[in-house]
Order: sequence, then structure tokens, then C-alpha cells
Amino acid sequence: EVQLVQSGAEVKKPGESLRISCKGSGYSFTSYWISWVRQMPGKGLEWMGRIDPSDSYTNYSPSFQGHVTISADKSISTAYLQWSSLKASDTAMYYCARRSIAAAGGPYFDYWGQGTLVTVSS
Amino acid sequence: QSALTQPASVSGSPGQSITISCTGTSSDVGGYNYVSWYQQHPGKAPKLMIYDVSNRPSGVSNRFSGSKSGNTASLTISGLQAEDEADYYCSSYTSSSTQVFGGGTKLTVL
Repeated sequence: EVQLVQSGAEVKKPGESLRISCKGSGYSFTSYWISWVRQMPGKGLEWMGRIDPSDSYTNYSPSFQGHVTISADKSISTAYLQWSSLKASDTAMYYCARRSIAAAGGPYFDYWGQGTLVTVSS
Repeated sequence: QSALTQPASVSGSPGQSITISCTGTSSDVGGYNYVSWYQQHPGKAPKLMIYDVSNRPSGVSNRFSGSKSGNTASLTISGLQAEDEADYYCSSYTSSSTQVFGGGTKLTVL
């Protein structure tokens, strides 16, 4: 069974750093890219960026480039999303999602983590 | 990269059909047949409902169907059921090799 299991909820202060994780199981972790998606309270989904776990190549949305870092450790089938200096506006639910591609088709997200709630407040 | 445009809300009675639109540009929706749709119930992770414009993953009801014309994709739900009440998001691959989501549509089953 394919699963993406994310780390637990976090409460942080502005200016603090944070790294959340997403562990894949039930499939070949290096065969599928992982994307991160933000959902601010009461708002819609926003694609943040993605990583190819096989070589750690990353691609970011212009809206998030420079604000977060996506990484992966293929030896433990885990992807990460990290911040060096959190802001109150980073308060949101963050999802990881597995990117699949159908034969002769395009990318879509077929499996999602359960989400990690990040709260940033002084 | 601007979000794709979806209506904020749609509603329908049980048994009826509804359609949710998703409008982008020639750099995303119009340029590729790579539109996917996701259903999200409150407090839950999104679930894939349609990929590559009109393909249903295994296990998704055939009451859900997708189509595209020009820069606008559409999700149609036929035979509405109470369990269909949720938020729906479209997503498209873009010419920048990124993904973009729509703003989301809240479906209410009356």
C-alpha cells in the first residue's frame, strides 16, 4: 500500500527555523517526484515546488522560490520542506503529494500525505 | 503564475448534474491536456478524481467526468449525492514546468 506519512503539527515563533518531513512507503521512492502544497486557513491549494528524489533536482513556484527549501534523503525515503526564518504568514497546512505520470500523459498527484499544520505565532 | 479561475461555489440537488469550470491560459490549461481535478472534504487531504483532462483513476465513480475546450476545463458530476459535497480544485501543468491550482469551488448538495 502506497503511503505518504508526514511529521506532526508544529507551533513556532516568528524568526525560528523549521523542517517538516514526508516519508514514502509501499513504492519505489526514487521513481516518483514529491511536491509540496500549501493550504492557508480557509483558502485554496497552492503548489510550492517539487523534488526528484533520485537526484534531488528541485523546481519551485516563483511565489515560493527563495522562501523555502525542498530536499530529500532517498536512503530513508523521506522528503523535507524547510524554512530558515518563519513568518506569521507561513501559518498553514502543508501537504506532500506524489507526482505520477500516465503513459503518454501528464503529471498529477495520486497520493497525498495527511498534512502537517504549521502555526507561527509570537 | 496566477491561479486558475474557478467559480467560488456551485450547488445542486440530489440526482442532478453540475459542472465546475476551470479557466487558464494557453500556457497552462490550453497548452496541455494535463488537467487534473481533486476533491477535498473538510479536514481531509485532497483526493485525485480526474487526470489528463478526462481519465478517472481506479475506484473513482463514473459519475465524475472531465472535459476541456480551449483554455477552459470542466468537471461534471452527475447524479449528485450528499457525499459529493466538498471543495473541488483543478490543476494544470504549465509551460514553466510547474503546476498551478485553481482557487477552488465549494459544492453544496441542497
